[in-house]
Amino acid sequence: KQEVTQIPAALSVPEGENLVLNCSFTDSAIYNLQWFRQDPGKGLTSLLLIQSSQREQTSGRLNASLDKSSGRSTLYIAASQPGDSATYLCAGGGTSYGKLTFGQGTILTVHP
Amino acid sequence: SAVISQKPSRDICQRGTSLTIQCQVDSQVTMMFWYRQQPGQSLTLIATANQGSEATYESGFVIDKFPISRPNLTFSTLTVSNMSPEDSSIYLCSVEVIGSGELFFGEGSRLTVL
Repeated sequence: KQEVTQIPAALSVPEGENLVLNCSFTDSAIYNLQWFRQDPGKGLTSLLLIQSSQREQTSGRLNASLDKSSGRSTLYIAASQPGDSATYLCAGGGTSYGKLTFGQGTILTVHP
Repeated sequence: SAVISQKPSRDICQRGTSLTIQCQVDSQVTMMFWYRQQPGQSLTLIATANQGSEATYESGFVIDKFPISRPNLTFSTLTVSNMSPEDSSIYLCSVEVIGSGELFFGEGSRLTVL
């Protein structure tokens, strides 16, 4: 059974700082790894999807990497802004589409 | 991507009643799913909504408690039956864009049971 852990649980940084959010998973037979953002009281916004054959994906100031052998993924946020404040969730998918196992999330606060 | 609309966005219900949540997608998708997010928790998959057949439920979730319909490729409903305060959660509809493996989520339906 896949288990996903995110560290740290919460992170507070000053604006402009580069930061890394960590995600680890127990089953290396992961089909894909997806990072989401959730604002308070809102649904999930997909940030990046890394397929099992890929090692990283980039979108703007975001870069996500996947290392299946070590069971880890990282989300790198460059030049953080107050608007980046949200909960960031990583989720691992098995061979069945849509069956994502979610981590508990990292609550990010970027203060001006 | 896909635009997913859920109704209601929130509701307050009495114990013992049932509530049906609707999910509408702006394009045809093969896979639709229902997730639950309990207070302070992460998301857990309830079931896969199959078009034209019975939904596939995950361990710990049963059809009598969470009946699901999917009459076509763009619409699904989840009913939370005989509600108790423990059912207070955010219920989220999600879809997989065909062939991408990427999941998209609706805004969620926040349910409070008194």
